[in-house]
Amino acid sequence: AQTVTQSQPEMSVQEAETVTLSCTYDTSESDYYLFWYKQPPSRQMILVIRQEAYKQQNATENRFSVNFQKAAKSFSLKISDSQLGDAAMYFCAYRDTSGTYKYIFGTGTRLKVLA
Amino acid sequence: EAQVTQNPRYLITVTGKKLTVTCSQNMNHEYMSWYRQDPGLGLRQIYYSMNVEVTDKGDVPEGYKVSRKEKRNFPLILESPSPNQTSLYFCASSWGGRSNEKLFFGSGTQLSVL
Repeated sequence: AQTVTQSQPEMSVQEAETVTLSCTYDTSESDYYLFWYKQPPSRQMILVIRQEAYKQQNATENRFSVNFQKAAKSFSLKISDSQLGDAAMYFCAYRDTSGTYKYIFGTGTRLKVLA
Repeated sequence: EAQVTQNPRYLITVTGKKLTVTCSQNMNHEYMSWYRQDPGLGLRQIYYSMNVEVTDKGDVPEGYKVSRKEKRNFPLILESPSPNQTSLYFCASSWGGRSNEKLFFGSGTQLSVL
């Protein structure tokens, strides 16, 4: 069965600095999606970035980028120039492209941004 | 406005009293799903549906029921709630299988079972 592991329950970063959140996953599939979702105190779930496994190029969305290492099954999120509004819970998620459309989420990393 | 509408936002009930959490989407999405979020456990999938009348169990389906009679609606039913079902619940939908795949989430339902 597929699993997603986020080994950092909590991280802190100084405003304007860079932080990297870790995510590893386990799967025997070769084609799948990986996601990072943000959950601010409002508890709304917001898609931060998406990576398709067949694409070798790392996805980037403004200050957010990923380091996708398919062989190592690693999918880390880098936040550059951290802002106070980045403070949230971040969830890594996996979905394979077989017919089931099951999503698997990690346990989350709470990011604190220090002024 | 494209959205997933989930109601109620907060619900307090007692053990054994049947309840339904509603979920509706206006984007003609094929795929809908339910999750529960618990501290230290992240989001866990309860049930999902790939289209009308097609539902399947996720990782934690015990104690829950769902139905998909219409494409836009996917209610979550707790026939006999117990305190271990106290949790934050999310409904989500997506097109399913497209290259720009993403989940659209409802605003969540905080359920307390006393």
